[in-house]
Amino acid sequence: DAKTTQPTSMDCAEGRAANLPCNHSTISGNEYVYWYRQIHSQGPQYIIHGLKNNETNEMASLIITEDRKSSTLILPHATLRDTAVYYCIVTQTSGSRLTFGEGTQLTVNP
Amino acid sequence: GAVVSQHPSWVICKSGTSVKIECRSLDFQATTMFWYRQFPKQSLMLMATSNEGSKATYEQGVEKDKFLINHASLTLSTLTVTSAHPEDSSFYICSARSGSTGELFFGEGSRLTVL
Repeated sequence: DAKTTQPTSMDCAEGRAANLPCNHSTISGNEYVYWYRQIHSQGPQYIIHGLKNNETNEMASLIITEDRKSSTLILPHATLRDTAVYYCIVTQTSGSRLTFGEGTQLTVNP
Repeated sequence: GAVVSQHPSWVICKSGTSVKIECRSLDFQATTMFWYRQFPKQSLMLMATSNEGSKATYEQGVEKDKFLINHASLTLSTLTVTSAHPEDSSFYICSARSGSTGELFFGEGSRLTVL
């Protein structure tokens, strides 16, 4: 699986959009970009995934660059409950073993 | 949505004892389950992959005789930490892959503290 690079930490004001970047410059054509988050002392929670096109669901939007070498997870209106570690993972299939990097600690401030 | 349940959610044991952690898929059949370990302020580290009815595949550096994994049914996998020591204290998380949809779901984790 391709390696990903994420900032160690980010801060965001409550109610504002949180934009979390991820670099995956070695991604191959059949690899998906997945985003999970982990709230303290809980199991990871699936957020969204995509291959080439931008994706949106009730939780977030995923913007993938045209060359697919980077992506951005957007939480449109961050709340205090969105404080968590966000993991960007690149993998070939939806049910594959997932290799977690260090992720980004997002702190949403009141 | 699909649910993966782990039990116990937390356990405290004495050094030298063995501890079993269960991972159940509640509303789907899981052909494959994954076990992760997470130390404080660190990321999840994959320990092993288990397929129903066959032996688990362990990641490099994970002792298979120390961490016994059994996946005897399509809804249950167990991780047994044998002769636990304080350095085995960690957060253990399982994930299960649906055999029908291929989706992956995570449990809530089990926190093991070895005294």
